[in-house]
Amino acid sequence: SAVISQKPSRDICQRGTSLTIQCQVDSQVTMMFWYRQQPGQSLTLIATANQGSEATYESGFVIDKFPISRPNLTFSTLTVSNMSPEDSSIYLCSVFGRDSNTEAFFGQGTRLTVV
Amino acid sequence: DAKTTQPPSMDCAEGRAANLPCNHSTISGNEYVYWYRQIHSQGPQYIIHGLKNNETNEMASLIITEDRKSSTLILPHATLRDTAVYYCIVRATSYDKVIFGPGTSLSVIP
Repeated sequence: SAVISQKPSRDICQRGTSLTIQCQVDSQVTMMFWYRQQPGQSLTLIATANQGSEATYESGFVIDKFPISRPNLTFSTLTVSNMSPEDSSIYLCSVFGRDSNTEAFFGQGTRLTVV
Repeated sequence: DAKTTQPPSMDCAEGRAANLPCNHSTISGNEYVYWYRQIHSQGPQYIIHGLKNNETNEMASLIITEDRKSSTLILPHATLRDTAVYYCIVRATSYDKVIFGPGTSLSVIP
């Protein structure tokens, strides 16, 4: 299994500002994934973060808006830049288990409200 | 394009079996069927997965049709705590990304 801690758990931010979300895993993992879940919607994959290389972004997401860092095998950050109310969502971090890529584990998410 | 199709919502009486269907008619030979659920305000939770044989664990059973074009997740005795959105996902095992569809919102009714 993998235990994921996300910080902050929630935040209310002013439009035009940026928020950095942290994801800490209790074991070393190769890939970390960042998702967005807009109100009432399913999860949408933003990007895949590998240690030592640039993140790979999904269609519709760009690095300037969602820069990602992956400084080591247990930690990653996602920044939501120049926020607008449309960025109000839950942002979740996910990893595969240490011993298997069968099961994905998710953090509890960061609930972001942009006002 | 979505790889799976699920009904948007279902109801189930408490104590009865909940049978959640999923269509995956374009599934490839090396792709597994995975089920996750998301209880309100929590991160998704893995339930079960299978390739072509039926699978059972402490949470649920997974029945996959012989042609592998559809499957059913069975919660044998649904409780109120099983109220959640259930996601059926197909993916290969080699670090393939987990892509979520809309899922089925299951309401367990007292």
